[in-house]
Amino acid sequence: QVQLQESGPGLVKPSETLSLTCTVSGGSIRSQFWTWIRQPPGRGLEWIGYIYHDGTTKYSPSLKSRVTISIDTSKNQFSLRLTTVTTADTGVYYCARAGGGCGGCYSGADIWGRGTMVTVSS
Amino acid sequence: DIQMTQSPSTLSASVGDRVTITCRASQSISNWLAWYQQKPGKAPKLLIYKASSLESGVPSRFSGSASGTEFTLTISSLQPDDFATYYCQQYNVYSGTFGQGTKLDIK
Repeated sequence: QVQLQESGPGLVKPSETLSLTCTVSGGSIRSQFWTWIRQPPGRGLEWIGYIYHDGTTKYSPSLKSRVTISIDTSKNQFSLRLTTVTTADTGVYYCARAGGGCGGCYSGADIWGRGTMVTVSS
Repeated sequence: DIQMTQSPSTLSASVGDRVTITCRASQSISNWLAWYQQKPGKAPKLLIYKASSLESGVPSRFSGSASGTEFTLTISSLQPDDFATYYCQQYNVYSGTFGQGTKLDIK
């Protein structure tokens, strides 16, 4: 079965760039939508954006100027870059497949990674 | 930018109760709405997609419905495992706004 695993630094300094990678195992990254979602401590979920296997992306309007999501189909990985971070970017970052109930269409997130905690602090 | 207003923010109920959580979209999203359950320290779990379609493996006591821009998640008979936080998410026009969440706790 498809599994996702986030990886990357757990601590990032203010004004620097947060970079995370999600590795997809047990299935192909092709013909699917993949998404990043985050959750500040004690708060709700925030959608960051998605990428399709062909590189098509869409981002949250509130983060669009700082976010880049990319994909490497040869490694079965997709990645998140968030520039100029502040303490407000602290939280758990999840990668997920956005394909609930459909093969290759954009839908609810049906498979999630465990999440990785990223703290922005000097 | 589509906003999702979820209510209530907290809900106290007992095992066996029927509970309803509502999400209202700021504009039409057709039926492009998902519901999730999240327990502390865990990733969310997809319950419902396309407003009323039950994700595989999810108990049938969970159901979703839609009326215009108002969406409802119903749990017909609460079980001990259902006490958690619930979120709606719209995914119309390839976006993904979440509601603020509803924490369901034991009365």
